[in-house]
Amino acid sequence: EPEVTQTPSHQVTQMGQEVILRCVPISNHLYFYWYRQILGQKVEFLVSFYNNEISEKSEIFDDQFSVERPDGSNFTLKIRSTKLEDSAMYFCASSELAGNIQYFGAGTRLSVL
Amino acid sequence: AQSVTQLGSHVSVSEGALVLLRCNYSSSVPPYLFWYVQYPNQGLQLLLKYTTGATLVKGINGFEAEFKKSETSFHLTKPSAHMSDAAEYFCAVLPSGAGSYQLTFGKGTKLSVIP
Repeated sequence: EPEVTQTPSHQVTQMGQEVILRCVPISNHLYFYWYRQILGQKVEFLVSFYNNEISEKSEIFDDQFSVERPDGSNFTLKIRSTKLEDSAMYFCASSELAGNIQYFGAGTRLSVL
Repeated sequence: AQSVTQLGSHVSVSEGALVLLRCNYSSSVPPYLFWYVQYPNQGLQLLLKYTTGATLVKGINGFEAEFKKSETSFHLTKPSAHMSDAAEYFCAVLPSGAGSYQLTFGKGTKLSVIP
């Protein structure tokens, strides 16, 4: 069964460093998403991406964050200068069409020290 | 705007007992509703969904949920719990036809199954 894959599973970084979280969505899907879950809190929407541009973003997704689809298979989330409060589990998701079921990856746990 | 409330952050049931996980939502437009399950160290897996039509929806692993518009609820049930059902369960809402495709999640309910 096709699945969304995320790498790495755990990323440790120093405050102020840049990190790139990687995702390979399901191959025939057109919509891509990032969510995050701070420990003990809700899963929160960050951004959605379609046709090589951001279609929707939340207040969390400020100028420190960016997304990119550098090639036909990868979808990345970059945090330019990490803060302690960026420590969270980051989930990538994809869907075939807008409003369809979103399929999630296993997540990347980001720890900012 | 939409929101999801899951009553009970932790629910314990005996093996073979009824599982009932509660979800209430608020949405300014007719919602699509979802239940996801997360097993340890794994991603969010879709259990079931409601979009339109029949209000009782069946999902994987014997789970089902009923959309009750008058109660703004979408509770998840399973007649007989199995040890393998131990996981965290998330209810989520997507506003239909509103041009927004962001899922809004509840805080999750961790289900423990006692042998």
